[in-house]
Amino acid sequence: GAGVSQSPRYKVAKRGQDVALRCDPISGHVSLFWYQQALGQGPEFLTYFQNEAQLDKSGLPSDRFFAERPEGSVSTLKIQRTQQEDSAVYLCASSLGYGGGRDIQYFGAGTRLSVL
Amino acid sequence: EDKVVQSPLSLVVHEGDTVTLNCSYEVTNFRSLLWYKQEKKAPTFLFMLTSSGIEKKSGRLSSILDKKELSSILNITATQTGDSAIYLCAVVLGGAAQKLVFGQGTRLTINP
Repeated sequence: GAGVSQSPRYKVAKRGQDVALRCDPISGHVSLFWYQQALGQGPEFLTYFQNEAQLDKSGLPSDRFFAERPEGSVSTLKIQRTQQEDSAVYLCASSLGYGGGRDIQYFGAGTRLSVL
Repeated sequence: EDKVVQSPLSLVVHEGDTVTLNCSYEVTNFRSLLWYKQEKKAPTFLFMLTSSGIEKKSGRLSSILDKKELSSILNITATQTGDSAIYLCAVVLGGAAQKLVFGQGTRLTINP
């Protein structure tokens, strides 16, 4: 596709509800990243995929957070039993990977999650 | 702990002014540094800088990295209201993930 696409753009969840956020990366991009951006802060790394392999999940804040990319393209970030502190913008980025200019990450518009 | 710090956090200037945004970093495995502009949508890529120290330019925007000082600056000349945004600096870490470590961002407001 032309750019990274995320859906939904906005999600309101009741505390305790499960949510699923979708990311459709740029076609042909090997690397896919998820970031969490709290209000007034810079994005923080959550997890990284190279094709379908999740190579780094060190930024996931708890075991309620789970991400997958089963066919090496679309990725889903799932949050179980949402808490108020999960309220944030969730950004997805993709890159060609493997060094130099291929490291540049291109971002989607994000999903703004509000947990009530 | 890997850390990226931007200053100032907020800046308000008049249209036509020149601004300089700062980014300093302290990381274990530096690979490159990226600047992004974030409005109400996706952060959009501006520049990629490496330890080569080569200045990058695009129209009224320019940026350079000082590898001795572990810092980078982003300059915008003849500012316009459309330059109003949050400017994010991020370091690309080496290693398998090439993940980004971001600063807090600088909120730039250009008044007419």
